[in-house]
Amino acid sequence: NAGVTQTPKFQVLKTGQSMTLQCAQDMNHEYMSWYRQDPGMGLRLIHYSVGAGITDQGEVPNGYNVSRSTTEDFPLRLLSAAPSQTSVYFCASRRTGRNQPQHFGDGTRLSIL
Amino acid sequence: AQSVTQPDIHITVSEGASLELRCNYSYGATPYLFWYVQSPGQGLQLLLKYFSGDTLVQGIKGFEAEFKRSQSSFNLRKPSVHWSDAAEYFCAVGASKAAGNKLTFGGGTRVLVKP
Repeated sequence: NAGVTQTPKFQVLKTGQSMTLQCAQDMNHEYMSWYRQDPGMGLRLIHYSVGAGITDQGEVPNGYNVSRSTTEDFPLRLLSAAPSQTSVYFCASRRTGRNQPQHFGDGTRLSIL
Repeated sequence: AQSVTQPDIHITVSEGASLELRCNYSYGATPYLFWYVQSPGQGLQLLLKYFSGDTLVQGIKGFEAEFKRSQSSFNLRKPSVHWSDAAEYFCAVGASKAAGNKLTFGGGTRVLVKP
């Protein structure tokens, strides 16, 4: 199994550019989520989805959009990149059921100049 | 709101020595607790989890953690570290009710292993 696959692994953007970070999982997990990781702050939840067609905001949703048209894919969109969005982004998925452990992708390192 | 504190940002330990990483949480109900490890340039891997029952939880790679409700702690331990244990470790707490993917993570503890 590929598990959770994130693309790209690295990206550099200019302020104001838009971009979509891709996330795909092949485990038929209903729950998917996006986190950003910043030094000393752990991982903070951006958006999450409990199933196809259903998304909700996490702790730090501003500046990001998501959609969930299929079970497998959960893309994260930056509509107008800002330097404050420089971070490492992780996608995660898990099975239905209370507090199933999450499976993480390898991350996307994003720099906004 | 739930929160997680990992008081130690960095810990340096000699290979073969014991390791203990501290985690304190704040949550109004029964917490669901996790420890994850992140090797450089990689995603997070689950080490162990606590939902209920025995308060001493065994995980992968020789790690264990003990849940102490009275201290709101879930410290991670390993009796003898290996050089491959050098990584960053994250404690996380999950809501007890169905709340999607809402895990709250601590800030992480980076472990350095000296030969």
